[in-house]
Amino acid sequence: GAVVSQHPSRVICKSGTSVKIECRSLDFQATTMFWYRQFPKQSLMLMATSNEGSKATYEQGVEKDKFLINHASLTLSTLTVTSAHPEDSSFYICSARGPYHRGRGTGELFFGEGSRLTVL
Amino acid sequence: SQQGEEDPQALSIQEGENATMNCSYKTSINNLQWYRQNSGRGLVHLILIRSNEREKHSGRLRVTLDTSKKSSSLLITASRAADTASYFCATAVNQAGTALIFGKGTTLSVSS
Repeated sequence: GAVVSQHPSRVICKSGTSVKIECRSLDFQATTMFWYRQFPKQSLMLMATSNEGSKATYEQGVEKDKFLINHASLTLSTLTVTSAHPEDSSFYICSARGPYHRGRGTGELFFGEGSRLTVL
Repeated sequence: SQQGEEDPQALSIQEGENATMNCSYKTSINNLQWYRQNSGRGLVHLILIRSNEREKHSGRLRVTLDTSKKSSSLLITASRAADTASYFCATAVNQAGTALIFGKGTTLSVSS
């Protein structure tokens, strides 16, 4: 099946630094990718929708200048947490929409394994 | 944003028992999906049920959907310790490529 890879899986950084997380679709082209954030013992919250070649669409309450999303190619979207603070510590998960299937409509979503960010 | 609630928030059972989790949502949907997440890991897709379907089976999993009540249930039969995980329902409001919106999840603990 389709695979989505996230890197790094874990990252620890100092407060004030920026961290980049990559999301790659390994065997399909994904025109749309989604970024979620999950705090401990909570559900996934949609942060933004990333479309290849255009600006990301952010959910209400998510600061676009703090969480920079770039979807420069059909297989790669990046999330950069700028000037990270301890409250940004979270599990970040991306998902990518697979190819269109005739009869099934828009392709299913595939999820990466997540990236755990710890800001000291 | 979140669609709704899972019920119960936490469930503890013995191996061999059945586990039932419920999910309610707020808006009209195209389909509803159930995912499993082991602690600290990514999501595993379990099953998808479309808005025009009422019940679906996959192995030990049985999912029902009641669009009039905007609710779904996930039944895991003959549970195993390996089923211990968090379970989330997620809804897609249309087919056109919007994101999945997740419920709050049920944490299932199966003891041997």
